[in-house]
Amino acid sequence: AQKVTQAQTEISVVEKEDVTLDCVYETRDTTYYLFWYKQPPSGELVFLIRRNSFDEQNEISGRYSWNFQKSTSSFNFTITASQVVDSAVYFCVLRGMNRDDKIIFGKGTRLHILP
Amino acid sequence: EAQVTQNPRYLITVTGKKLTVTCSQNMNHEYMSWYRQDPGLGLRQIYYSMNVEVTDKGDVPEGYKVSRKEKRNFPLILESPSPNQTSLYFCASSLSRNTGELFFGEGSRLTVL
Repeated sequence: AQKVTQAQTEISVVEKEDVTLDCVYETRDTTYYLFWYKQPPSGELVFLIRRNSFDEQNEISGRYSWNFQKSTSSFNFTITASQVVDSAVYFCVLRGMNRDDKIIFGKGTRLHILP
Repeated sequence: EAQVTQNPRYLITVTGKKLTVTCSQNMNHEYMSWYRQDPGLGLRQIYYSMNVEVTDKGDVPEGYKVSRKEKRNFPLILESPSPNQTSLYFCASSLSRNTGELFFGEGSRLTVL
């Protein structure tokens, strides 16, 4: 079965602190994609990153970085020097490519950045 | 502008009154799908379509129907809505099943009384 677990339901940090959002996934597919999406209070879903199962390179984009570790089935997301505008719900998403094409969302982590 | 458009954005209806939420994309994407978002549950996939005339059930298809007669449109049909279908609905598309990124519509908030 495919599954995405975001164990942190809600996190609060003070502005400028670093924060890591955890994501653990399960899949029997050998080929798959992982994503992070951001949902700000306005409600839209904003794409942040895509990583395929063959590419375990970590990635940095400005204050955002992602750590993909296939050995532990984790795809964690770190925000460095957080800002109030980072306050949102963040979803980790799994898309398997071998069998059906179901897309599995984690339940999301609500991040509060306190001024 | 590349986009996924859903209508209506907000709807209040009553139990049993058939309704359709439309979804249209202008990016010539093959893959389209519908999700519902409920508090504490994240987004759950209702139906998806890998191309015209090809649709498959997601994780929560009960009470919903879809059709894909044209590449750009993927309407979600609630034949007999019930209060447990009150939710925020998102339509999404991607170029194909092998091109991962999903583009989402702005969401449709549905209330069934």
